[in-house]
Amino acid sequence: ELKVEQNPLFLSMQEEKNYTIYCNYSTTSDRLYWYRQDPGKSLESLFVLLSNGAVKQEGRLMASLDTKARLSTLHITAAVHDLSATYFCAVDNTGNQFYFGTGTSLTVIP
Amino acid sequence: GAVVSQHPSRVICKSGTSVKIECRSLDFQATTMFWYRQFPKKSLMLMATSNEGSKATYEQGVEKDKFLINHASLTLSTLTVTSAHPEDSSFYICSARDRTASYGYTFGSGTRLTVV
Repeated sequence: ELKVEQNPLFLSMQEEKNYTIYCNYSTTSDRLYWYRQDPGKSLESLFVLLSNGAVKQEGRLMASLDTKARLSTLHITAAVHDLSATYFCAVDNTGNQFYFGTGTSLTVIP
Repeated sequence: GAVVSQHPSRVICKSGTSVKIECRSLDFQATTMFWYRQFPKKSLMLMATSNEGSKATYEQGVEKDKFLINHASLTLSTLTVTSAHPEDSSFYICSARDRTASYGYTFGSGTRLTVV
């Protein structure tokens, strides 16, 4: 069974600080996804990483993928309150199934 | 971009009744749709993979007779929670993959089910 783990599960950070969320997965996959979820809402797609070494950036968020290490990172630069949400990574395997990480609940405090 | 419509957004039902949740791909065809369940402050758990024109593939531990999935067309999948009990109360989310996009999965807005 494919396992996807995120670290940390909870993150409280001050505004203007930087931090990284880690996503480890247990099986070979070249596709890694990052989503954001606000309370009571569905998921908003942030990034799709399709190959080893892929790096994508949008605003204060940057995601990268290392398929050899089975690791993806989501880096937050100069956090602002609007980034408070839960962030999920997800991986799809060759069986066309889509598994989510454990989630990271991010709170940005003034 | 690809849009997935999920309906209803909220439903309250009595124990013992059945509830149907619809998931529609609005501007693309989806041969495969996925159904997830999410408990408060938890991750999304894949329940089943819905395949157009064939039986759904259920994850281990998910009761097929309890959660009936029908994917009768390329744009519609339904999840029916049969004989609902309070423990079935949860947030259910569907997703579909637009193969014309770059491996993007689009998610429905979710359905908050409360069984009383």
